[in-house]
Amino acid sequence: DTGVSQDPRHKITKRGQNVTFRCDPISEHNRLYWYRQTLGQGPEFLTYFQNEAQLEKSRLLSDRFSAERPKGSFSTLEIQRTEQGDSAMYLCASSVNGAPNTEAFFGQGTRLTVV
Amino acid sequence: SQKIEQNSEALNIQEGKTATLTCNYTNYSPAYLQWYRQDPGRGPVFLLLIRENEKEKRKERLKVTFDTTLKQSLFHITASQPADSATYLCALPPGGGADGLTFGKGTHLIIQP
Repeated sequence: DTGVSQDPRHKITKRGQNVTFRCDPISEHNRLYWYRQTLGQGPEFLTYFQNEAQLEKSRLLSDRFSAERPKGSFSTLEIQRTEQGDSAMYLCASSVNGAPNTEAFFGQGTRLTVV
Repeated sequence: SQKIEQNSEALNIQEGKTATLTCNYTNYSPAYLQWYRQDPGRGPVFLLLIRENEKEKRKERLKVTFDTTLKQSLFHITASQPADSATYLCALPPGGGADGLTFGKGTHLIIQP
């Protein structure tokens, strides 16, 4: 399967713990996005990478959130001191080089539950 | 920022009929608009992209229209099938040179056999 891969699929954590999610985009895609989706809502943009450079961050991305893409390939999203409001589906997407208005390929998401 | 409105209530359509979903947006007119399908517990899957200079786009049983005067896109599924049941999301670029997509809440479509 050469699609976007996310790990883990599900994560249950206690409030106050740190969690880290991983995304492996399609190999030839240099653009990588993170979105968050809560029940009954559409995905909300969090941040965007072009290669290893983080070019945009949403105001939704508080100081407790950090994302990296160290070698321009896979990316990680870390949430520190998790809160119950962080419970959501975290989606990663990638798209082809130099094409800002083509389709985004999404992974299956990581479902985070903070208890 | 862009605001997108999609029917938040579920749309029930009888199998074989045409399903029509609406996406309305406010503020500026985007350079393009995309439609995605999302099944429960899965990530969205791209269906169609239509650019601002295109009135209509087709792909198999799918058709999308884009009316920049009305600030509206319509998404049609002809000869609908129960397998078409899913949530359909409208997505636009956020504007101002920013990247990423702004999504609507989606419309839950149910095709009844």
